[in-house]
Amino acid sequence: QKEVEQDPGPLSVPEGAIVSLNCTYSNSAFQYFMWYRQYSRKGPELLMYTYSSGNKEDGRFTAQVDKSSKYISLFIRDSQPSDSATYLCAMDRGSSNTGKLIFGQGTTLQVKP
Amino acid sequence: DSGVTQTPKHLITATGQRVTLRCSPRSGDLSVYWYQQSLDQGLQFLIQYYNGEERAKGNILERFSAQQFPDLHSELNLSSLELGDSALYFCASSLTGTSSPGELFFGEGSRLTVL
Repeated sequence: QKEVEQDPGPLSVPEGAIVSLNCTYSNSAFQYFMWYRQYSRKGPELLMYTYSSGNKEDGRFTAQVDKSSKYISLFIRDSQPSDSATYLCAMDRGSSNTGKLIFGQGTTLQVKP
Repeated sequence: DSGVTQTPKHLITATGQRVTLRCSPRSGDLSVYWYQQSLDQGLQFLIQYYNGEERAKGNILERFSAQQFPDLHSELNLSSLELGDSALYFCASSLTGTSSPGELFFGEGSRLTVL
């Protein structure tokens, strides 16, 4: 079983829809939770970053972490065609002195005009 | 543009061969990471260097090796290549040796095809 599970999709939604992307994990030591966005033929770029449980909002994006359920989510409001990309969740224990991130498989999102 | 430069962008080679992938981190970043991305395994951590020293090791095969030079650029060497080594290889950099609360900046990757 992988440490981080993420449904690869693809997920197709109409423009303006609310998108929900999710990851589950098994390692309770994870403290830092990130969402990266990867456009086709590009490297991943950091979208959202959350420490421990709670919510974080940035414009149309909201990240949620529920450590009791080992479940994290990314919500995209008023989705746009430019949001079409692969979204990867990533996690880190934080207590180590390394930058090793554990990534989910990535969910491919397509927002149709 | 993340500021991380990877070369070559594309590489096609045969089984049994050896290749070297090169990475220049963002200016000022001390840490370099190598990740492998394939369709079935996703993005997998291979190895991390911090200021020239190996900091962490992931699922890196013995046929693979890496190093970080005094000017902080890094090279990933892949030898005795097999078909299954075909993948996208990403380099990332960060200012510090930890990813939290820092951010990893990824290059655009080197696509390796082994025939």
